[in-house]
Amino acid sequence: KAGVTQTPRYLIKTRGQQVTLSCSPISGHRSVSWYQQTPGQGLQFLFEYFSETQRNKGNFPGRFSGRQFSNSRSEMNVSTLELGDSALYLCASSLAVNYGYTFGSGTRLTVV
Amino acid sequence: SQKIEQNSEALNIQEGKTATLTCNYTNYSPAYLQWYRQDPGRGPVFLLLIRENEKEKRKERLKVTFDTTLKQSLFHITASQPADSATYLCALEGSYIPTFGRGTSLIVHP
Repeated sequence: KAGVTQTPRYLIKTRGQQVTLSCSPISGHRSVSWYQQTPGQGLQFLFEYFSETQRNKGNFPGRFSGRQFSNSRSEMNVSTLELGDSALYLCASSLAVNYGYTFGSGTRLTVV
Repeated sequence: SQKIEQNSEALNIQEGKTATLTCNYTNYSPAYLQWYRQDPGRGPVFLLLIRENEKEKRKERLKVTFDTTLKQSLFHITASQPADSATYLCALEGSYIPTFGRGTSLIVHP
């Protein structure tokens, strides 16, 4: 079956711009979560959506937002980009809390 | 605050030996502990999940132990192969918010 699909794979943006990343979860998975991974901070939880509702949120500024659609596809948006937002952004979907997470390959965002 | 510690130094072992990776945590009472493998430039791949009331879990060449008293998990790869070389992350989960360790790099030499 198809895995978690993230688009685009690579993105270069300028400081101050905004960006939208997309994630299509595994069919049947209703939970979608987003993570930021950097060499300095490791893998950090951004937020999690379940049935179109944000269920949990990590400790990130309000510039980071997301949403989930009725087909479970999810998007995350980062506004007013800063150089420090350069990172690998990963999306993961899950069938349930005790089944582990299936990650996508990520979107590599570079802010210049 | 919650803290997860994994060895930051790479673990170098010879092919065929058993690799043992450690995950220690503080100020946390996780319901589940998970282990993932991550290759450079890719997303983590789920390997094993162990619940707080389980002591040990096995899957093929992999074994995970979970000691909630010591607040530690050990991850073992037996008969290691060069293809097992990767970064291994542990993750703790309480209420839907998983917290990941920084990972330990494993290098298996032929």
